[in-house]
Amino acid sequence: DAGITQSPRHKVTETGTPVTLRCHQTENHRYMYWYRQDPGHGLRLIHYSYGVKDTDKGEVSDGYSVSRSKTEDFLLTLESATSSQTSVYFCAIGLAYEQYFGPGTRLTVT
Amino acid sequence: DQQVKQNSPSLSVQEGRISILNCDYTNSMFDYFLWYKKYPAEGPTFLISISSIKDKNEDGRFTVFLNKSAKHLSLHIVPSQPGDSAVYFCAASADSRGSTLGRLYFGRGTQLTVWP
Repeated sequence: DAGITQSPRHKVTETGTPVTLRCHQTENHRYMYWYRQDPGHGLRLIHYSYGVKDTDKGEVSDGYSVSRSKTEDFLLTLESATSSQTSVYFCAIGLAYEQYFGPGTRLTVT
Repeated sequence: DQQVKQNSPSLSVQEGRISILNCDYTNSMFDYFLWYKKYPAEGPTFLISISSIKDKNEDGRFTVFLNKSAKHLSLHIVPSQPGDSAVYFCAASADSRGSTLGRLYFGRGTQLTVWP
């Protein structure tokens, strides 16, 4: 195991509420990523980080923000959750040829 | 626009036979390719990879073949086992040296079912 935990593992929330997902790593790795997985779409990159306070957008970043104040933590925030953000969210650490994924967070927006 | 394509959403194979999963890509800048395996309720796990300077990489029962001219790669599993039943994702990167952000582009996945 690569020492990646995600919390919460499951969450149900209502449309319009803010939601924050947490990714925590014990590997002291510089690079961290947030993906979402949806049927028929595979894994799509939301945001990534290449160091503390250094983040950038991925291919599906609208409606999401991230923060990284410590090496070990990478937070994903849905400012105002919508039903289209119902998905399974995966955090990953590493480089392109060696990314390790967390167990995922299943988020349902009702 | 999908840069990595897995056109078969599912594959069913008998135990002991060969499983062949296919992947196509459109971006000629991709120079590193990976396969991930995913079981339900778990995160994807790295399976095998190949650099664009090679055309084959083997690891036990798993072999990945790369045809750069056709922009096609395939994963062969021989012999297939019931425990191989999972979703397999093909992924590609244009940053094999890891000098920058290491973004991966994923296909939509192929559900492999190996039956006894």
